[in-house]
Order: sequence, then C-alpha cells, then structure tokens
Amino acid sequence: NAGVTQTPKFQVLKTGQSMTLQCAQDMNHEYMSWYRQDPGMGLRLIHYSVGAGITDQGEVPNGYNVSRSTTEDFPLRLLSAAPSQTSVYFCASSSPRDGFGELFFGEGSRLTVL
Amino acid sequence: QQPVQSPQAVILREGEDAVINCSSSKALYSVHWYRQKHGEAPVFLMILLKGGEQKGHEKISASFNEKKQQSSLYLTASQLSYSGTYFCGTVGGSSNTGKLIFGQGTTLQVKP
Repeated sequence: NAGVTQTPKFQVLKTGQSMTLQCAQDMNHEYMSWYRQDPGMGLRLIHYSVGAGITDQGEVPNGYNVSRSTTEDFPLRLLSAAPSQTSVYFCASSSPRDGFGELFFGEGSRLTVL
Repeated sequence: QQPVQSPQAVILREGEDAVINCSSSKALYSVHWYRQKHGEAPVFLMILLKGGEQKGHEKISASFNEKKQQSSLYLTASQLSYSGTYFCGTVGGSSNTGKLIFGQGTTLQVKP
C-alpha cells in the first residue's frame, strides 16, 4: 500500500499563478482533509470531505477550492496564489468505520509563493 | 474552535516524565494525539473517545476528562526519540464528523 500520496513535493509559484496540489489514497478511506502548516505553527484545517461529492470548509478556506469526485482523490486548488499561502500542505485520510478515525498523512507539499 | 495546549515547550533529561495538556471549550467526541519531527509528517500516537474507548501505541498513555473537555498525554521515562512537537486534535459533537481541529502544539526536547 502506498497510503496517502501527495504531489508535487516542492513547488515555487509567482503571485497570481494558479496550481493544484494532488492527493490520492489507496486505503478506501471515506474522509480526507487538507491542512496547512506555517513555520512554528500548528496544523490548520483548510477543507475536508466525508465522501465523494461532499466537501466542507475548515478553519482557513479562503483562497482554496476543493472537489471530491472519487473516493481516492482530493485535489486542492489555489486559484490566484498569494505570498501568504507559502506553507507546507498536508493531506490526510481516515475512516470512521472503527469509530476512531486515525489520520494517515501524506509526506507534505512545500509551496513557496514569490 | 482550536483546542489549547499547555505547556508550549518542555525540556527534559532522558528518563524524566512529562505531561502535555489539551483543553477545549466545546463538547468533544474524540481527542487525537500526534507527534511530528522536524521536516516530517505527523505520526499517530493515541485517540480517546467519549465513553472511554481508546486506541494507541502501547508505550503511550493518555486520559480524557469528558466533563471538563480536557485530555492529557503522559510521557514516562522519556527517551531521546521522544523529541518533537506534540499536537492534540479534537472532533466536536457526538460523532466522528471528520472535522479534526489541531492545537498549536507542544515542543518537547529530550536531552542526554
């Protein structure tokens, strides 16, 4: 099992450019989430999804779009990148079936916006 | 609402014990604990559910006071490998909604 796979691992953008961070999981998990982590800070929830076709906003959704057309994939779109979006982005998945919902994280995508 | 962790930072000698606390102002379904080392993704340590069930690593212990919406992570006989940043995360409400909100983290440094 690959687990949670994020691409790209590193990306540099110019202000105003758009891009998509990809996230895929092969564990058949219903739940998927995107977090951002700024230096010395905690993990802040951007968007999350409880199943294909269902997404909801987290703590810091502005400037980001998501969609969930399949169980496996949960891409995060930056429509017009800003320097404030420079961060490390983590995708995570979990399953509610056992009642616990342990998060499995991807390795992270490091984004720099100039 | 973001849970609050305390202390913000801890420095220990090998073999010493530490307690990290996490509190929330809202009713909780579950409390998660993760450890993150520099440059890596967070790693699962423990989940505690309302009602008393818990899941986690054998060498990790934690408690969850549902009435006070507080959880504590107990690190005993610390080892160098325990160094890192510890995050608690909370799911509010009466079921697993998938909306896990993390605290700001507690940095733990274990010295020889």
